[in-house]
Amino acid sequence: GQQLNQSPQSMFIQEGEDVSMNCTSSSIFNTWLWYKQDPGEGPVLLIALYKAGELTSNGRLTAQFGITRKDSFLNISASIPSDVGIYFCAGQNRYAGGTSYGKLTFGQGTILTVHP
Amino acid sequence: DAGITQSPRHKVTETGTPVTLRCHQTENHRYMYWYRQDPGHGLRLIHYSYGVKDTDKGEVSDGYSVSRSKTEDFLLTLESATSSQTSVYFCAISEVTSVREQYFGPGTRLTVT
Repeated sequence: GQQLNQSPQSMFIQEGEDVSMNCTSSSIFNTWLWYKQDPGEGPVLLIALYKAGELTSNGRLTAQFGITRKDSFLNISASIPSDVGIYFCAGQNRYAGGTSYGKLTFGQGTILTVHP
Repeated sequence: DAGITQSPRHKVTETGTPVTLRCHQTENHRYMYWYRQDPGHGLRLIHYSYGVKDTDKGEVSDGYSVSRSKTEDFLLTLESATSSQTSVYFCAISEVTSVREQYFGPGTRLTVT
């Protein structure tokens, strides 16, 4: 089946620094999603990307849909303590057809720690 | 926040006992999903539903069954719980017109002793 490799697995940064993380796939996706999960809660959707090459921002977050359709990147600028959490990428092939339509494949997550 | 609740939020049970987890939504979304989350594995799909009484298996469905008799409720059952099923379980929903975006519930932490 499809696999996503997310890196880095964890990051320890100082408040104010910029953060970059990425996901790579062994196969093509038509949609990339980025989620953030706070401790004890469910993942929350941050950004959705639908076209190869697309660059989308949500406040201090910027995500890009790789031109090869096999990767995606998330950048966080000027990190703050509340950015702490686990960030997940997820890919979807909406042309999978039949009852596979809508299925997401998740990366393993990037644990972000921000020191004040 | 999407109107998704999960119950119970925490449960401890013994090996071999049946367990049912409930997901309830108030959004009238057609698609519902059950995932489990384990360290190093991210979120893995157990089962999903694409309508009332319409369900299909995900990538880690062994040992689990599901039922959906109403749009708003999706039940996950462990017929005979095992220690390997200790995990955090998340329910998610998505709309027909935007199936690509899934919204998650708060999760249920299940411990099988």
